[in-house]
Amino acid sequence: AQSVTQLDSQVPVFEEAPVELRCNYSSSVSVYLFWYVQYPNQGLQLLLKYLSGSTLVKGINGFEAEFNKSQTSFHLRKPSVHISDTAEYFCAVSPTDKLIFGTGTRLQVFP
Amino acid sequence: ETGVTQTPRHLVMGMTNKKSLKCEQHLGHNAMYWYKQSAKKPLELMFVYNFKEQTENNSVPSRFSPECPNSSHLFLHLHTLQPEDSALYLCASSQASGGATEQYFGPGTRLTVT
Repeated sequence: AQSVTQLDSQVPVFEEAPVELRCNYSSSVSVYLFWYVQYPNQGLQLLLKYLSGSTLVKGINGFEAEFNKSQTSFHLRKPSVHISDTAEYFCAVSPTDKLIFGTGTRLQVFP
Repeated sequence: ETGVTQTPRHLVMGMTNKKSLKCEQHLGHNAMYWYKQSAKKPLELMFVYNFKEQTENNSVPSRFSPECPNSSHLFLHLHTLQPEDSALYLCASSQASGGATEQYFGPGTRLTVT
């Protein structure tokens, strides 16, 4: 069975600092990989996705993620965060026709 | 209205009540989903509809009854719920139900069962 592990439930960081949100997955088949963001009182919004090709994927709002097949990871990074990046971030995998989500990482950006 | 809308945004109901959640997508998509989001848990897929036909029921208790009258509307009928059913219920849609297809989410209905 497929599963997703987000190793950090909360990540506090100061504004303009870099950040990495970690995601590991387990799957016996090839998967598609996604990062979604959820701002307070809103639904989830797609940040970026990996389907195939280049392992470095760039998304919206300056975020990027790197697919590492050997380590089964898909960590999300941003070189300089803003207060407005404060939100819940969800990693998800899709081995077939549905999404399997992790438990989420709460990114809190302080001034 | 654009995107995916959900009504009501908040709902408080007793265990003997019957209520319905509504979802509408304005994106011309063919697949719609219900998810349950509880604190500290991964999002749980509940139901999937493709072209109005239910294609997935993720072992959801029968006190949750979905209805999809057309590709743009999705309902979740609720009756005799339990306190542990309190959660954020999210609706999503996508062009198709394939794994590579992006899902677009509504803002959710915050349900409290008393």
